[in-house]
Amino acid sequence: EAGVAQSPRYKIIEKRQSVAFWCNPISGHATLYWYQQILGQGPKLLIQFQNNGVVDDSQLPKDRFSAERLKGVDSTLKIQPAKLEDSAVYLCASSLVLAGAEQYFGPGTRLTVT
Amino acid sequence: ELKVEQNPLFLSMQEGKNYTIYCNYSTTSDRLYWYRQDPGKSLESLFVLLSNGAVKQEGRLMASLDTKARLSTLHITAAVHDLSATYFCAVDNSNSGYALNFGKGTSLLVTP
Repeated sequence: EAGVAQSPRYKIIEKRQSVAFWCNPISGHATLYWYQQILGQGPKLLIQFQNNGVVDDSQLPKDRFSAERLKGVDSTLKIQPAKLEDSAVYLCASSLVLAGAEQYFGPGTRLTVT
Repeated sequence: ELKVEQNPLFLSMQEGKNYTIYCNYSTTSDRLYWYRQDPGKSLESLFVLLSNGAVKQEGRLMASLDTKARLSTLHITAAVHDLSATYFCAVDNSNSGYALNFGKGTSLLVTP
């Protein structure tokens, strides 16, 4: 079974530029999560989808971050414009169902904002 | 807000020794998870603990859960270098939509 796929794996941009990340969850997984992991910290949830609907985006900085999962499968996370403090690893995870299912993490995208 | 605290945050131990990592959480949770993360890598699931008194073991690692004390422990027996990594505990509950709330992680270094 293929795991969670993410691309790109690495991205370096200058502040005020925009960037987009892509995630393809495990086939059949209804729930998709985007987490931000700043160096030296645990991952923090940015947004959670159930199929193509948003379950929780309370911690997403909506003035600069956006995310979509239009067809309920793959998802994109966008930052526009980027700030220095957005430098982090962005992890995508998926689970079979919303409640009580184990989350499987992708390899992450390491973003460096200069 | 669901808070998760781990200690210690850094741990250097000799091969062959035993040690315990502690994870406290602030409110009722549905499940407790332990993950391992190697440098530059993603998260690898180690254990999922579902109920009070749950104990799971895999190799030199054993995890337990006390829901009354809101405490989980990850015990390392006879450490080996391959266990060097960062270990995270995380909890979820229905109030947070089952998203994971992570601790800051424990960075473990096992030395000869």
